[in-house]
This record gives sequence, C-alpha cells and structure tokens, in this order.
Amino acid sequence: DTAVSQTPKYLVTQMGNDKSIKCEQNLGHDTMYWYKQDSKKFLKIMFSYNNKELIINETVPNRFSPKSPDKAHLNLHINSLELGDSAVYFCASRPLAGGDTGELFFGEGSRLTVL
Amino acid sequence: GQNIDQPTEMTATEGAIVQINCTYQTSGFNGLFWYQQHAGEAPTFLSYNVLDGLEEKGRFSSFLSRSKGYSYLLLKELQMKDSASYLCAVLDSNYQLIWGAGTKLIIKP
Repeated sequence: DTAVSQTPKYLVTQMGNDKSIKCEQNLGHDTMYWYKQDSKKFLKIMFSYNNKELIINETVPNRFSPKSPDKAHLNLHINSLELGDSAVYFCASRPLAGGDTGELFFGEGSRLTVL
Repeated sequence: GQNIDQPTEMTATEGAIVQINCTYQTSGFNGLFWYQQHAGEAPTFLSYNVLDGLEEKGRFSSFLSRSKGYSYLLLKELQMKDSASYLCAVLDSNYQLIWGAGTKLIIKP
C-alpha cells in the first residue's frame, strides 16, 4: 500500500490552462503539505493543511488553491498555468502539526510541464 | 533571513567515506533532518538530530552542533546506490521545515 499517493505523476499542458493534482495519504496523519521543487532543486513549501485548516501559505500566487475534502486528501488546483509553474510538485504528510518532530512522508511527485 | 548552506556537488569513490556538511541560520531550532533523494524520486528520511552529538544508523551517521549551527552526514563504505542528492532541512521555531538546495553525491567505481 502506498502511504502517500499523488496523481497524475506526469502532466503536460499549455499555458493558460487549469489543472489539478490529487494527493491522498492512508497514514492517518494530521498535517499534509504541498511542496514545489524547481530546476534548482530547492524544495519550497506552498501549503500546509492541519485537519482541513490552512495553516501555512508561503506567498504563493492565488492561482494556486489547495482543496482538502477530508483529512486524508489535499488536492492542488492551478489556474491560468504559466511557464514558470513547470516543476515537480510533492505532496507530503506528518503525524502532528507543531509540537511534534515527526518526519515527512513524501508522495512520488507530479512533474508538471507547461508549454 | 533563514538560510541553509550545503555544497552543491561532491564526488567520492566506492567503498570510501564521505562527509556532507550543512550550516544553518534559522529563526529558532527544533531539529535538523537529512533526506536522501534519488533522481526523479521523492525524498526519503535518513536522520533527525535535535541534541548535540552523533547519531549512528548503520552506514550513515549524522552529527549536530547547535552552538555552531552545523551538521554533517557521514556515509561509510560507499555503494554505487548511494549516488543521490542529500538534503539538509531545519525545523524552525514555527515548526516549519527550511530546506537546503541539496548536495549531489556522485560515487565512482
């Protein structure tokens, strides 16, 4: 069983389109994250959700919107895609938000290419 | 600002030992992580240090000095499969993970 799974793994689309990436974790974790890893290989946090409440939003453009239908899911929706959005997007989860130092469990990543 | 520094790339020989350094300046400190990331794959957890000293786990060890803002990851008996990027990350006072850019480790036969 995959602990953190995200789909699709590869996504190629045109500028201006709207796309979504889905993430599900079966670990019972309380906190889920979306990270962006660009060509420079920096992992940049985009969003964090704790029990369906947004607790971090790291100055991400409002074209990006996280949606969490329940504790086990955190989807990423992107409007009006731009060339600079091309990157690998990682979903991750942790057992607790704050007060705990649990390691992050990552999904396999979704490689988005905007043409 | 918050900053994590680690070398961009290192090369080592199979069977040898390599030390990857990480220095950090963050708003508070609640621990330091090392992750391994193979090309095209997700990062995987290697170690966590919150107290000064050396933590050993098989062929991998991680060291922390909080007063110096310094950590290193030591890899012994290098194998070809150890070729990967090694990411240093610090948990700051808000329990946010601040990531370094990673060190690409190349293992040669």
